[in-house]
Parts: sequence; structure tokens; C-alpha cells
Amino acid sequence: QQQVKQSPQSLIVQKGGIPIINCAYENTAFDYFPWYQQFPGKGPALLIAIRPDVSEKKEGRFTISFNKSAKQFSLHIMDSQPGDSATYFCAASIGYGNKLVFGAGTILRVKS
Amino acid sequence: DTEVTQTPKHLVMGMTNKKSLKCEQHMGHRAMYWYKQKAKKPPELMFVYSYEKLSINESVPSRFSPECPNSSLLNLHLHALQPEDSALYLCASSQRTGGVGLAFGSGTQLSVL
Repeated sequence: QQQVKQSPQSLIVQKGGIPIINCAYENTAFDYFPWYQQFPGKGPALLIAIRPDVSEKKEGRFTISFNKSAKQFSLHIMDSQPGDSATYFCAASIGYGNKLVFGAGTILRVKS
Repeated sequence: DTEVTQTPKHLVMGMTNKKSLKCEQHMGHRAMYWYKQKAKKPPELMFVYSYEKLSINESVPSRFSPECPNSSLLNLHLHALQPEDSALYLCASSQRTGGVGLAFGSGTQLSVL
């Protein structure tokens, strides 16, 4: 119930393409869903986050789509660039005082 | 650039050594964390400090000893580590405990020989 399942494990797209990374959860008490971007040798950086009362959130080229009834959320990267090549982690948490539960991660490669 | 600063960036130590990892944040966050990350895996929570008091210890072996000297600083003391402890050690902070707005440092890449 505390798991967040992330897919695909890896993804290769051409420059300008729109990679989509999906996450699914079981625990309906989760109320905060962030995405992190991590480059090799660096710590994860918070990219964008959404609450379950919103179905979509955009920040620059990054969009989260949230489907509460399906218990799924996804990250879309518009006009992807080689510099977007990184590992992406979805995560979820419940309120305050509870730990962040991470997905397994997706390795994205954007080919130029 | 990250606002959570970790030193050193790289550390190589023998199994009998004692070393410390340091972390500093100046965002006024009251919760600070240590995570361990193996290659191609998500970060794993080790310890959580809330208002300078240890609030979560995820059953971490005693060879890892955390310390929070003040609201801006977090240390992780290492002693008698094993080769399997080699990993990226990440410090993080947030306004309150939990996942909201969790900000990570760049990490210390630790190799235990």
C-alpha cells in the first residue's frame, strides 16, 4: 500500500519528442506527488509537484497529469532536449511527519 | 545551485577509519534528513531530525551516527563501515517533516575499501 510503481524503467526519445513517465499508487491517503530529476553524481532536484485536488500542473516544459480515480500520475516533458537526459523519480507522501515514498526511477535519454 | 551544501563531495575510507559527513542549510528549514542512494536506485531514508531532535531512525546500523548541532547543521559520523556501505549519501531539508518541498544536497560519494 505504501508503494509507488513507476514505468518505464528506461526511455529513449528523439530531441523534440515528448517523453511520458507514469506512476501508480494504491494508498488513497497520499496527498502530495512530486517529481525529482537527478543527474549523475548529483542529488535529486525537485522538478514539479501536484496535490490531488488539481488534474494538471505545468511549469515550463514540464507537466504533471493527475488522475485521482485511476490513482495514477504522469510527467510529460515537452520539446525534450539532450540536457533533459537524467533519471526521474516520482514520489508520494501523506501530510506532514510521514516519509516520502519514491518510485524506482526512469532513466531518460534524449538523442540529438 | 542547491541550497543544501554537503562536504566532502567524495570520500574514500578504510573499514577501520572514522570519518564524518557534513551538511548545512540556510533556508530556515526545521527538518533535516540523511538518505543513502545506491546506483540506479531511489534514495532510502536513514534518519530524520525535527527541530534538532532525532525523530526517525530507519533501523540504521550503529556504525552510522547522526548529529544535529543546530538548526542549520547536520553531521553523519561513520565508523567501522563495510564495503557494502559504499553509496551516495544525501542530506536533505524541508520546512516541516514529511515530503513537501524536500530539497536535497549534491551528496557525498562514499567508497569503503
